[in-house]
Amino acid sequence: QVQLQESGPGLVKPSETLSLTCTVSGGSISNYFWTWIRQPPGKGLEYIGYIYYSGTTSHNPSLKGRVTISVDTSKNSFSLQLTSVTAADTAVYFCARGGFSAYTQGHFFDHWGLGTLVSVSS
Amino acid sequence: QSVLTQPPSVSAAPGQRVIISCSGSRSNIGDNYVSWYQQLPGTAPKLLIYDNNERPSGIPDRFSGSRSDTSATLGITGLQTGDEADYYCATWDSRLNTALFGTGTRVSVL
Repeated sequence: QVQLQESGPGLVKPSETLSLTCTVSGGSISNYFWTWIRQPPGKGLEYIGYIYYSGTTSHNPSLKGRVTISVDTSKNSFSLQLTSVTAADTAVYFCARGGFSAYTQGHFFDHWGLGTLVSVSS
Repeated sequence: QSVLTQPPSVSAAPGQRVIISCSGSRSNIGDNYVSWYQQLPGTAPKLLIYDNNERPSGIPDRFSGSRSDTSATLGITGLQTGDEADYYCATWDSRLNTALFGTGTRVSVL
């Protein structure tokens, strides 16, 4: 059974860079899309972006180019960097796997990490 | 940013049926497949439905999905107290080139 685990600092200062890693176990990172999704406290889910195992990326344009997603196939992990953070970036950050079906690739999320809370505060 | 609109809450008695709507537009629901997620309090979301109406292994057939034009629905029959959770629809938006989640619906069992 595929499992995902987020790791990284729980507190980031305003204007600095948020960095998180998602480690995948129980399966290979190859041949799948890997995504980041966040949820501000008490609010709904927001899609951040994805990376394909080969390195192709895409991110939510609402984040205005502050997002970098990278993959390390040797460590079976992928990472998120979000620059110039503000209090509005305080959220639980989830990593998830993009599923494959006969009709879609990567557009639904079939395995999720438990999530990690990142607070932005000085 | 969400342009997928869901009712904030729905409720019904145990054993009854609820339907959750998800309203979008031609560039998202109208052009792409819809998935649905259940988020129990304090936990990560769980995939319930993908490709509009397909259930992953292990999801009971009490949960069903459908799509028509620019809207989608999630149905839950035989409502149980364990179904109390937040439910989100999601799809890709071909114009924005990003995935979108719905605003979320809280299901309460009376």
